[in-house]
This record gives sequence, C-alpha cells and structure tokens, in this order.
Amino acid sequence: DADVTQTPRNRITKTGKRIMLECSQTKGHDRMYWYRQDPGLGLRLIYYSFDVKDINKGEISDGYSVSRQAQAKFSLSLESAIPNQTALYFCATSDPLAREQFFGPGTRLTVL
Amino acid sequence: GENVEQHPSTLSVQEGDSAVIKCTYSDSASNYFPWYKQELGKRPQLIIDIRSNVGEKKDQRIAVTLNKTAKHFSLHITETQPEDSAVYFCAASPQAGTALIFGKGTTLSVSS
Repeated sequence: DADVTQTPRNRITKTGKRIMLECSQTKGHDRMYWYRQDPGLGLRLIYYSFDVKDINKGEISDGYSVSRQAQAKFSLSLESAIPNQTALYFCATSDPLAREQFFGPGTRLTVL
Repeated sequence: GENVEQHPSTLSVQEGDSAVIKCTYSDSASNYFPWYKQELGKRPQLIIDIRSNVGEKKDQRIAVTLNKTAKHFSLHITETQPEDSAVYFCAASPQAGTALIFGKGTTLSVSS
C-alpha cells in the first residue's frame, strides 16, 4: 500500500546536537508538510513544500530547516537542538486536488 | 494569516449521547474545512471534510456544518460509541492553497 514513512520513530538527543528527521512517501503526492504536536497545542505547521523547488515557512519555523531531496523525500533538521523542541513530529503529504492530508506515523523526539 | 479556534478542549459523554465540537476561523478566503481523528498513539486520519460551497455534509453518524457568514464550522457525532474516544482536530485552508492550519484539538471521551 502507498504510505508515508518516517525515520527514526523515536530519538533521544542532547542540547546543541544536530538532528535530522526523514520522511518518505510512495503516494506520488507533490505536496509535503512537517508538523509538531505538543499536548494542548494541537498540530502546528513548521514547513511545507508544494514541489521539489518550493519551500515555505509555516507557523513555527524558527530553529528548523528543511530539504526536499526528491518528490518522495522531505527532511526536517534541527541545527542545534534545544529542550523545548521535545515533541511529536509528523510528516504529511497531499494531492493538490483532493486536499486530504495523509500523515506518517510520527517521530517522538526528546531533547535533554 | 489564518487562525483556527476549537472548543471545547475536552468533552465527556455517555455512550449513545451526541457530541458537538465547534471551530471558528479568521480568514474569509478559507474554503476547505477537514476534521481529523487521532486515536491514542496513532497518526491523525481524515474523517470528514466540507468545502465552502456546501452548508452541511453527513457520513453515517458524523456530520459537519459550515456557516461562512459567521466563520464557524462544527462536527456532530450522534449515537457515540466507546471507539469514538480520541482527539479530534479541525482545520482550515485558504483558497490560495496554503497548508492546513489546525485547531488545538478536542479530547472526546465516551464512557459506557
């Protein structure tokens, strides 16, 4: 089945470390997104990309960067992780006509 | 930019009762309003959506209503069952095709 996958699924790192979260999809969608989920704050948009050459900042992009390596791959980087970046991170994809977003399983990141 | 407010943050009902979750949005250009369900430890999944040219949409026990003048939309779940227990998110998407902006979520608990 076509799906959205994320690696790693869980990660514990230390303050100041650089970390990359990866997202891959086999749905053939052009649009990809990164969200973070915190209890009581819902899903907040970090970055999104509508095609390989398109990168857009979301609500909370500070402290994050992204790379769209191919249609199927969208990576999120934390250049120097800090404890308040501890959260559950979701990647999502969508088809521009259908508009439904399909989420990956999530990456639980802990920054000590 | 778009801002989505969601109420209540928690909702407890008895099995068989109805549940209503309400959202308001700020950008009058928004024209797509999905609802996602996230079960414990799982990824969010779309359960129903509505576009701005429709006032109401139903799918079995769930329905969504939209009032564009007042800029609010609601999720209605009838005959609730324990398996309806989850976090529900509303979202809005502006006509320009930017990414979804989510509300903060409602934790629905259905007790038998």
